[in-house]
Amino acid sequence: DVKVTQSSRYLVKRTGEKVFLECVQDMDHENMFWYRQDPGLGLRLIYFSYDVKMKEKGDIPEGYSVSREKKERFSLILESASTNQTSMYLCASSGAGGYNEQFFGPGTRLTVL
Amino acid sequence: DQQVKQNSPSLSVQEGRISILNCDYTNSMFDYFLWYKKYPAEGPTFLISISSIKDKNEDGRFTVFLNKSAKHLSLHIVPSQPGDSAVYFCAASGMGKLIFGQGTELSVKP
Repeated sequence: DVKVTQSSRYLVKRTGEKVFLECVQDMDHENMFWYRQDPGLGLRLIYFSYDVKMKEKGDIPEGYSVSREKKERFSLILESASTNQTSMYLCASSGAGGYNEQFFGPGTRLTVL
Repeated sequence: DQQVKQNSPSLSVQEGRISILNCDYTNSMFDYFLWYKKYPAEGPTFLISISSIKDKNEDGRFTVFLNKSAKHLSLHIVPSQPGDSAVYFCAASGMGKLIFGQGTELSVKP
């Protein structure tokens, strides 16, 4: 059974803290993605990666960075968390090629106080 | 600039009836479209897809229709069941990534 796991389901952090969100997939997928989901805005792409050590900005990269040191792991980093980064964060992965469906993790609900 | 739009935030239907969820897009270069279903506190799961060379794809109770001239796609669920209650996202594939709509929350009443 294919799986994408995220390190935390719920996280509460304070403004200014550095936050790490981890994502691991066991499908040997080349592509990995980070989204945030907000009411009325759908899923918005933050960053994605097509290969180890490669990263591409999505639609809303400001305030975030990513790291992909191993094929199966993709980390999202909030260098200095702010209240407007309170959101549901979703990680996804897909195989190489343009039409492969993305498989999602369960999400991390991050609250920044 | 929202390239993929779902203009209905919510939809309520009776069990056994048809549910029709709509999605509009603006970029004619999109060549593949997907529907995802999301339950609360879970990640989205893939439901059905359609290539731009087709106008219909069917999988059991789920059918997706694509009207390229109108840049419109729709998801039909027949018959609707209470377990179908969820948020549905349409997505368009372009430049190696997916662009999602805002989602439509479907509620199927017993």
